Amino acid sequence: NAGVTQTPKFQVLKTGQSMTLQCAQDMNHNSMYWYRQDPGMGLRLIYYSASEGTTDKGEVPNGYNVSRLNKREFSLRLESAAPSQTSVYFCASSEGRGVTDTQYFGPGTRLTVL
Amino acid sequence: ILNVEQSPQSLHVQEGDSTNFTCSFPSSNFYALHWYRWETAKSPEALFVMTLNGDEKKKGRISATLNTKEGYSYLYIKGSQPEDSATYLCAADSNYQLIWGAGTKLIIKP
Repeated sequence: NAGVTQTPKFQVLKTGQSMTLQCAQDMNHNSMYWYRQDPGMGLRLIYYSASEGTTDKGEVPNGYNVSRLNKREFSLRLESAAPSQTSVYFCASSEGRGVTDTQYFGPGTRLTVL
Repeated sequence: ILNVEQSPQSLHVQEGDSTNFTCSFPSSNFYALHWYRWETAKSPEALFVMTLNGDEKKKGRISATLNTKEGYSYLYIKGSQPEDSATYLCAADSNYQLIWGAGTKLIIKP
């Protein structure tokens, strides 16, 4: 099992460009998440999908959109990238949204916006 | 949204020594506390999840305790080894959303 995979691993964008980060999991998990990780800060939730067909905003959703394409795939789109979106982006999945459900993380995408 | 604090921010420990660090969270509206281990260039991996006051969990040389009344959890590593070098993250679940601390970066000196 590959677990959670993310593409690309690295990306450099110019201000105003758009891009989509892809995430897929092969664990048959119901819930998926997108986080950003900035130096000196904890992981911050951008969007999550509790189950196939649903998406909800997290703590920092502005400037992002998501699509839960099917049970396996959850993509994150930056429509018009800004330097403040320079960050490391992690996708995660869990069996459900229970308080004890473990989240499994992908390898991350390091994004730089110039 | 509750605030989760971890201390210290970083820690240098001699190989063979034992160490511990802290995760603090508001005790109201608390559901669960998760610990993750994050090695450089890898993904965070789950260590423990605890829900009840007084919970203790152990995995090899690593253990954790939980005090929900005063809002803290300790992570202990006994006899540190170079492979323990990592950032240790805690996350508190409030209303079915994980709020993450910034982590404690542990460096083991040979």
